[in-house]
Amino acid sequence: ETGVTQSPTHLIKTRGQQVTLRCSSQSGHNTVSWYQQALGQGPQFIFQYYREEENGRGNFPPRFSGLQFPNYSSELNVNALELDDSALYLCASSAPGVTSTDTQYFGPGTRLTVL
Amino acid sequence: QKEVEQDPGPLSVPEGAIVSLNCTYSNSAFQYFMWYRQYSRKGPELLMYTYSSGNKEDGRFTAQVDKSSKYISLFIRDSQPSDSATYLCAMLAGTASKLTFGTGTRLQVTL
Repeated sequence: ETGVTQSPTHLIKTRGQQVTLRCSSQSGHNTVSWYQQALGQGPQFIFQYYREEENGRGNFPPRFSGLQFPNYSSELNVNALELDDSALYLCASSAPGVTSTDTQYFGPGTRLTVL
Repeated sequence: QKEVEQDPGPLSVPEGAIVSLNCTYSNSAFQYFMWYRQYSRKGPELLMYTYSSGNKEDGRFTAQVDKSSKYISLFIRDSQPSDSATYLCAMLAGTASKLTFGTGTRLQVTL
Protein backbone atom coordinates (compact mmCIF):
# COMPACT_ATOMS: atom_id res chain seq x y z
CA GLU A 1 0.00 0.00 0.00
CA THR A 2 1.53 3.31 -1.09
CA GLY A 3 1.18 6.42 1.05
CA VAL A 4 0.34 9.96 0.03
CA THR A 5 2.87 11.48 -2.34
CA GLN A 6 3.34 15.10 -3.36
CA SER A 7 5.33 16.88 -6.03
CA PRO A 8 7.44 18.87 -6.31
CA THR A 9 9.30 18.79 -2.98
CA HIS A 10 10.44 22.39 -3.19
CA LEU A 11 9.47 25.28 -5.40
CA ILE A 12 10.64 28.88 -5.73
CA LYS A 13 8.44 31.42 -7.50
CA THR A 14 8.26 35.17 -7.77
CA ARG A 15 5.38 37.38 -6.73
CA GLY A 16 2.56 37.44 -9.29
CA GLN A 17 3.37 34.06 -10.81
CA GLN A 18 1.12 31.00 -10.79
CA VAL A 19 1.92 27.57 -9.32
CA THR A 20 0.48 24.05 -9.50
CA LEU A 21 1.11 21.48 -6.79
CA ARG A 22 0.25 17.81 -7.16
CA CYS A 23 -0.87 15.06 -4.83
CA SER A 24 -1.49 11.34 -5.21
CA SER A 25 -3.77 9.92 -2.56
CA GLN A 26 -3.19 6.76 -0.58
CA SER A 27 -4.44 3.60 -2.24
CA GLY A 28 -8.19 3.15 -1.63
CA HIS A 29 -8.77 6.75 -0.51
CA ASN A 30 -11.31 8.85 -2.43
CA THR A 31 -10.97 12.16 -0.57
CA VAL A 32 -8.15 14.69 -0.70
CA SER A 33 -7.73 17.73 1.55
CA TRP A 34 -5.22 20.54 1.15
CA TYR A 35 -3.66 22.53 3.99
CA GLN A 36 -1.27 25.46 4.21
CA GLN A 37 1.27 25.46 7.05
CA ALA A 38 3.17 28.66 7.69
CA LEU A 39 6.40 28.46 9.65
CA GLY A 40 5.74 27.85 13.34
CA GLN A 41 1.99 27.40 12.83
CA GLY A 42 -0.43 24.51 12.59
CA PRO A 43 -1.84 23.55 9.19
CA GLN A 44 -4.77 25.66 7.94
CA PHE A 45 -7.51 24.00 5.86
CA ILE A 46 -7.73 25.24 2.26
CA PHE A 47 -10.31 22.87 0.74
CA GLN A 48 -11.33 19.26 0.31
CA TYR A 49 -12.27 17.22 -2.75
CA TYR A 50 -14.50 14.17 -2.65
CA ARG A 51 -15.17 12.24 -5.84
CA GLU A 52 -14.00 15.15 -7.99
CA GLU A 53 -16.26 17.75 -6.31
CA GLU A 54 -15.23 20.44 -3.82
CA ASN A 55 -16.52 19.38 -0.41
CA GLY A 56 -15.74 22.25 1.93
CA ARG A 57 -13.48 25.27 1.76
CA GLY A 58 -11.54 27.23 4.35
CA ASN A 59 -10.93 30.95 4.56
CA PHE A 60 -8.76 31.28 1.45
CA PRO A 61 -9.33 33.62 -1.53
CA PRO A 62 -10.55 32.36 -4.93
CA ARG A 63 -7.02 32.53 -6.37
CA PHE A 64 -6.56 29.21 -4.53
CA SER A 65 -8.28 26.58 -6.64
CA GLY A 66 -8.15 22.84 -7.03
CA LEU A 67 -9.04 19.78 -9.02
CA GLN A 68 -9.51 16.12 -8.32
CA PHE A 69 -9.14 13.55 -11.06
CA PRO A 70 -10.97 10.23 -11.58
CA ASN A 71 -8.04 8.35 -10.04
CA TYR A 72 -8.49 10.60 -6.93
CA SER A 73 -5.20 12.41 -7.39
CA SER A 74 -5.45 16.18 -6.98
CA GLU A 75 -3.94 19.53 -7.90
CA LEU A 76 -3.74 22.78 -5.99
CA ASN A 77 -3.39 25.91 -8.11
CA VAL A 78 -2.47 29.31 -6.75
CA ASN A 79 -2.64 32.37 -8.99
CA ALA A 80 -1.10 35.81 -8.49
CA LEU A 81 1.31 34.58 -5.84
CA GLU A 82 1.95 36.82 -2.84
CA LEU A 83 4.86 36.79 -0.42
CA ASP A 84 2.55 35.47 2.33
CA ASP A 85 1.84 32.38 0.24
CA SER A 86 5.28 31.09 1.21
CA ALA A 87 4.53 27.97 3.28
CA LEU A 88 4.50 24.20 3.39
CA TYR A 89 1.52 22.91 1.41
CA LEU A 90 0.21 19.61 2.69
CA CYS A 91 -2.09 17.14 1.04
CA ALA A 92 -4.03 14.59 3.10
CA SER A 93 -6.11 11.68 1.90
CA SER A 94 -8.93 9.85 3.62
CA ALA A 95 -11.77 7.47 2.90
CA PRO A 96 -14.88 8.58 4.78
CA GLY A 97 -17.63 6.05 4.53
CA VAL A 98 -15.15 3.38 3.47
CA THR A 99 -13.01 3.13 6.58
CA SER A 100 -14.42 3.36 10.07
CA THR A 101 -12.97 6.81 10.63
CA ASP A 102 -12.37 10.02 8.69
CA THR A 103 -8.69 9.86 9.58
CA GLN A 104 -6.59 11.97 7.26
CA TYR A 105 -3.13 10.80 6.29
CA PHE A 106 -0.65 13.43 5.19
CA GLY A 107 1.96 13.54 2.49
CA PRO A 108 5.43 15.04 2.97
CA GLY A 109 4.38 18.44 1.65
CA THR A 110 5.62 20.91 -0.95
CA ARG A 111 7.63 23.82 0.36
CA LEU A 112 6.80 26.94 -1.66
CA THR A 113 8.93 30.04 -1.44
CA VAL A 114 7.65 33.25 -3.04
CA LEU A 115 10.28 35.94 -3.66
CA GLN B 1 -9.86 33.58 20.32
CA LYS B 2 -8.62 30.57 18.39
CA GLU B 3 -10.83 27.48 18.28
CA VAL B 4 -7.90 25.34 19.44
CA GLU B 5 -5.22 26.55 21.83
CA GLN B 6 -1.89 24.77 22.24
CA ASP B 7 1.26 25.91 24.03
CA PRO B 8 3.99 26.19 21.36
CA GLY B 9 6.78 25.37 23.80
CA PRO B 10 9.56 24.52 23.32
CA LEU B 11 9.39 21.78 25.92
CA SER B 12 12.70 20.17 26.89
CA VAL B 13 12.80 16.95 28.94
CA PRO B 14 15.48 14.36 29.77
CA GLU B 15 15.37 10.92 28.21
CA GLY B 16 13.04 8.59 30.12
CA ALA B 17 10.76 11.35 31.38
CA ILE B 18 6.98 11.34 31.10
CA VAL B 19 5.79 14.06 28.75
CA SER B 20 2.40 15.73 28.94
CA LEU B 21 1.11 17.70 25.97
CA ASN B 22 -2.22 19.52 26.08
CA CYS B 23 -4.79 21.37 24.01
CA THR B 24 -7.95 23.23 24.89
CA TYR B 25 -10.78 23.99 22.50
CA SER B 26 -13.86 26.16 22.40
CA ASN B 27 -16.05 24.54 19.72
CA SER B 28 -18.52 22.08 21.25
CA ALA B 29 -19.11 20.55 17.81
CA PHE B 30 -15.70 18.85 17.84
CA GLN B 31 -16.24 15.10 18.19
CA TYR B 32 -13.03 13.52 16.89
CA PHE B 33 -9.60 14.25 18.35
CA MET B 34 -6.23 13.42 16.90
CA TRP B 35 -2.57 13.82 17.71
CA TYR B 36 -0.04 14.13 14.93
CA ARG B 37 3.76 14.12 15.16
CA GLN B 38 5.70 16.25 12.73
CA TYR B 39 9.44 16.07 12.26
CA SER B 40 11.22 19.10 10.88
CA ARG B 41 10.33 19.77 7.23
CA LYS B 42 8.14 16.66 7.03
CA GLY B 43 4.39 16.05 6.85
CA PRO B 44 2.36 15.29 10.00
CA GLU B 45 2.17 11.62 10.99
CA LEU B 46 -0.94 10.35 12.79
CA LEU B 47 -0.20 9.06 16.30
CA MET B 48 -3.56 8.74 18.04
CA TYR B 49 -7.23 9.04 17.15
CA THR B 50 -10.01 9.21 19.74
CA TYR B 51 -13.74 9.79 19.60
CA SER B 52 -15.18 9.72 23.08
CA SER B 53 -14.12 11.07 26.44
CA GLY B 54 -11.69 8.85 28.31
CA ASN B 55 -8.28 7.33 27.71
CA LYS B 56 -6.79 5.45 24.77
CA GLU B 57 -3.42 3.76 25.01
CA ASP B 58 -1.03 2.68 22.26
CA GLY B 59 2.40 1.55 23.40
CA ARG B 60 4.15 4.45 25.11
CA PHE B 61 1.41 6.89 24.09
CA THR B 62 -1.84 7.66 25.93
CA ALA B 63 -4.45 10.07 24.61
CA GLN B 64 -6.96 11.54 27.02
CA VAL B 65 -10.12 13.46 26.16
CA ASP B 66 -12.30 15.42 28.60
CA LYS B 67 -15.20 16.83 26.59
CA SER B 68 -16.81 18.45 29.63
CA SER B 69 -13.71 20.59 30.13
CA LYS B 70 -12.90 20.83 26.40
CA TYR B 71 -9.39 19.59 27.14
CA ILE B 72 -7.28 16.89 25.51
CA SER B 73 -3.89 15.51 26.44
CA LEU B 74 -1.18 13.26 25.04
CA PHE B 75 1.14 11.48 27.44
CA ILE B 76 4.44 9.96 26.31
CA ARG B 77 6.06 7.49 28.69
CA ASP B 78 9.78 6.66 28.71
CA SER B 79 10.50 9.47 26.26
CA GLN B 80 13.29 8.91 23.73
CA PRO B 81 15.46 11.33 21.72
CA SER B 82 13.60 10.07 18.63
CA ASP B 83 10.42 11.56 20.11
CA SER B 84 11.88 15.03 19.52
CA ALA B 85 9.43 16.63 17.12
CA THR B 86 6.46 19.00 16.98
CA TYR B 87 3.21 17.52 18.28
CA LEU B 88 0.00 18.84 16.76
CA CYS B 89 -3.46 18.31 18.17
CA ALA B 90 -6.26 18.28 15.60
CA MET B 91 -10.03 18.15 15.85
CA LEU B 92 -12.92 17.35 13.58
CA ALA B 93 -16.59 18.20 13.89
CA GLY B 94 -18.87 15.35 12.90
CA THR B 95 -20.23 16.90 9.72
CA ALA B 96 -17.24 19.02 8.75
CA SER B 97 -14.59 18.15 6.23
CA LYS B 98 -11.73 20.09 7.76
CA LEU B 99 -9.31 19.33 10.55
CA THR B 100 -8.71 22.24 12.91
CA PHE B 101 -5.18 22.18 14.29
CA GLY B 102 -3.44 23.67 17.26
CA THR B 103 -0.23 25.61 16.77
CA GLY B 104 1.88 22.59 17.72
CA THR B 105 4.19 22.02 20.69
CA ARG B 106 7.87 21.56 19.96
CA LEU B 107 9.36 18.79 22.13
CA GLN B 108 13.08 18.18 22.69
CA VAL B 109 14.15 15.00 24.51
CA THR B 110 17.75 15.27 25.65
CA LEU B 111 20.24 12.49 26.46
